[in-house]
Amino acid sequence: EIVLTQSPATLSLSPGERATLSCRASQSVNNYLAWYQQKPGQAPRLLIYDASNRATGIPARFSGSGSGTDFTLTISSLEPEDLAVYYCQQRSNWPLYSFGQGTKLEIK
Amino acid sequence: QVQLVQSGAEVKKPGSSVKVSCKASGGTFSNFAFSWVRQAPGQGLEWMGGIIPVFGTGNHAQKFQGRLTITADESTRMVYMELSSLRSDDTAIYYCARDNSGFDFWGQGTLVTVSS
Repeated sequence: EIVLTQSPATLSLSPGERATLSCRASQSVNNYLAWYQQKPGQAPRLLIYDASNRATGIPARFSGSGSGTDFTLTISSLEPEDLAVYYCQQRSNWPLYSFGQGTKLEIK
Repeated sequence: QVQLVQSGAEVKKPGSSVKVSCKASGGTFSNFAFSWVRQAPGQGLEWMGGIIPVFGTGNHAQKFQGRLTITADESTRMVYMELSSLRSDDTAIYYCARDNSGFDFWGQGTLVTVSS
């Protein structure tokens, strides 16, 4: 089983600041890495697929990078509505998918 | 527009089974994979298993071996998740999601409460 480790567990930043979230895999997932945003009381929303591709309707301030075992989600300029928990997910080997434990993003 | 609509909340006794349904509308059905993801109260997301309807055989994470059955019915565009031998730690919101290089559409979630 591929284990994903996200860091930090919690991130507290002000509007306009840049957020950098990390996801590390226990073995290579090539570029089969997705990022999701989950706001309180809502289902998750796909932000990034295949490491660096923005999903439909996702603002350009969200970007993904990385390959192999190390990945990053960057939010270039935080908006108040970006308050959420962010999860990475590996999809390298159907049907053995897994999620990271999440990073909680707090807006000061 | 693709929409996934799940069945309603359930309350179950320990040791019993629950079957949650997910109806897909809009878009192509059979060629995509569908997964089930659960989220215990205050916890993160946990991928449970999935199915590609055109192939018909469900797959699941090892921890659910022997307890989880995922099926699909192409004629009705339905996907099902049945979990047996329920325990209190199975209390969670259960989501279905379409897999299209990432889970691009999600159901609204079904709360399953396991309590004596």
